[in-house]
Order: sequence, then C-alpha cells, then structure tokens
Amino acid sequence: GENVEQHPSTLSVQEGDSAVIKCTYSDSASNYFPWYKQELGKRPQLIIDIRSNVGEKKDQRIAVTLNKTAKHFSLHITETQPEDSAVYFCAASRRSGGYNKLIFGAGTRLAVHP
Amino acid sequence: SQTIHQWPATLVQPVGSPLSLECTVEGTSNPNLYWYRQAAGRGLQLLFYSVGIGQISSEVPQNLSASRPQDRQFILSSKKLLLSDSGFYLCAWSPRVGANEKLFFGSGTQLSVL
Repeated sequence: GENVEQHPSTLSVQEGDSAVIKCTYSDSASNYFPWYKQELGKRPQLIIDIRSNVGEKKDQRIAVTLNKTAKHFSLHITETQPEDSAVYFCAASRRSGGYNKLIFGAGTRLAVHP
Repeated sequence: SQTIHQWPATLVQPVGSPLSLECTVEGTSNPNLYWYRQAAGRGLQLLFYSVGIGQISSEVPQNLSASRPQDRQFILSSKKLLLSDSGFYLCAWSPRVGANEKLFFGSGTQLSVL
C-alpha cells in the first residue's frame, strides 16, 4: 500500500544552522506534497507545499525540493531560530475517489538550541 | 474566512464508556471532512473521511464510527471505548473543488481512556 518514510525522527541543531528533513514515498501517482509543523499540543499547520510539476519551491527561510524520479522530497530550513522547534510532518497525496488522500510520514522532532 | 471548530479539547473517559467528538466547519460549503488520530509521539493516521452528507469511508477497522448528519458537521463516536483508543484526535477539512489538496486541521481532542 501507500507509504511515506521520513528521516530523521529527531534533529538537533544550533540556532543559525540549517536543518534538512527527507521523505520518500511509494505511490508513483502521488502529485501533491505538503509539509506541516506541529507545536506541542497544537494542531498541525501547513507551512509549505509542492506539486509534482515543480522541482523546487521557496518561501523565505523554508524551501522544499522534489525528485519525482527517485520519489524523494525534502524540507530545508535555513538560519534556524528557536521558534522553529516543533514536529514536522511530510505527506504525499493523490486523488482517490473524489478526494485527495494524504499519507503522512511519522514526523521529525526538530530542536533548535540558542 | 473558513474556520474549523472541534470539541472538547480534552477528555478522560473510563474503559467501556461511549464517546462523541464533534467537529464543525464554517465559511465553506461541501467540504471534504476527515478524522485523524495521532498516538503519542507518532504520525497521523487517517480514520475516516467524508465527501458528503451521510457518506463515510473508513480507512482502518476499529472500535470507532463516524457520521456526517449535516454538510459541515462531522462526528466521531464509539459505543464502548478501549484503552487503545487513547490519543490525540484531529478533525480536518479540505475544499471540494479548486486547491482541494490542502488540509486544514482543527485544534484537536486529547482523549485518555483509563
């Protein structure tokens, strides 16, 4: 069945460093790849997304890259700040029966130390 | 603008008791609606989705059921809770048309079954 693998499960960086989180997906029909940020006890919030017709997308300090051939996509956070500390989830989806079925990775707990 | 309301925020229930979690969406019509569960330190598992009133699809066999009595109302229920039902339950919606891949989450319900 569909599967999304996410690595690493935990990531610790110093403030100002970059952080990279990687995901792979199994369903070659997947065409939409969002990233969510979840702070402790809060709802996941969409921070950036990319569609399969694009290889890279950037929004200020956050960028996402997609390699459709290898079925890899990655989240890059530059100049990390303590408020970036959270759990980040990747997901992959494709249209199925009238809706887009999102399959989530297991999450990466990012800690940014001052 | 669209908003999603989910309640209660926390719930402590004894094993064998019933459950009813409610979710409503405002500011949109005919949304796709979803229930996700997040076990402690884990990813997001899709439990149910609905593309219309009375239309419910289940992703995994379990002790829970869902209903959609109105267009913007989604209810998660159980007749008899199990210990394994503990977790963080998230309601979510996505647009039926347009950019319908984007998923927006409610604030979640932390359920503890004792």
